[in-house]
Amino acid sequence: EAQVTQNPRYLITVTGKKLTVTCSQNMNHEYMSWYRQDPGLGLRQIYYSMNVEVTDKGDVPEGYKVSRKEKRNFPLILESPSPNQTSLYFCASTRSQGGSPLHFGNGTRLTVT
Amino acid sequence: GEDVEQSLFLSVREGDSSVINCTYTDSSSTYLYWYKQEPGAGLQLLTYIFSNMDMKQDQRLTVLLNKKDKHLSLRIADTQTGDSAIYFCAESDGASKIIFGSGTRLSIRP
Repeated sequence: EAQVTQNPRYLITVTGKKLTVTCSQNMNHEYMSWYRQDPGLGLRQIYYSMNVEVTDKGDVPEGYKVSRKEKRNFPLILESPSPNQTSLYFCASTRSQGGSPLHFGNGTRLTVT
Repeated sequence: GEDVEQSLFLSVREGDSSVINCTYTDSSSTYLYWYKQEPGAGLQLLTYIFSNMDMKQDQRLTVLLNKKDKHLSLRIADTQTGDSAIYFCAESDGASKIIFGSGTRLSIRP
């Protein structure tokens, strides 16, 4: 089954403790992206990757890192999480960013205390 | 910068039609999308329309595009309880990224 898989689904952590949210897709998509969803703000793009070893900042990249060593994986890294990064995070992928619709994971709800 | 605007809430009676509206600012938008988000899940593509089209119909869904006014709407005929969700409008120039609206929460009254 074609899918985007994120882990974990839920995560509670403390300020400053490094964490990684994994994202994997099995559709051989070139383009992958991370979004955060906050009430009333919709989805805001954090980082995106057009292909392996190619990553770019989205609209709200501060406090986040990503890597794209392999085509299928696109982990999101929070080196020193802060409470304002408490949010619902989505990974998404698509064949190419030429209008092809995005396929989304089921989300990771992160709480930073 | 580019922006996509939607109203936050819509309540309709079961069996009525729902119309969710969206406006966008990017005149170079090539693709316009409607995504549906059910509780606890990611976004799923409902339908999309190219900017050179005025209308697209798919079963109970009708998408209307007024490119001059940069206005997009989604009509759901015979709204059912299973249609309760958040609906996101999004636009893309087909090059670098997709910009999403803040989502419209559709609730269904009996």
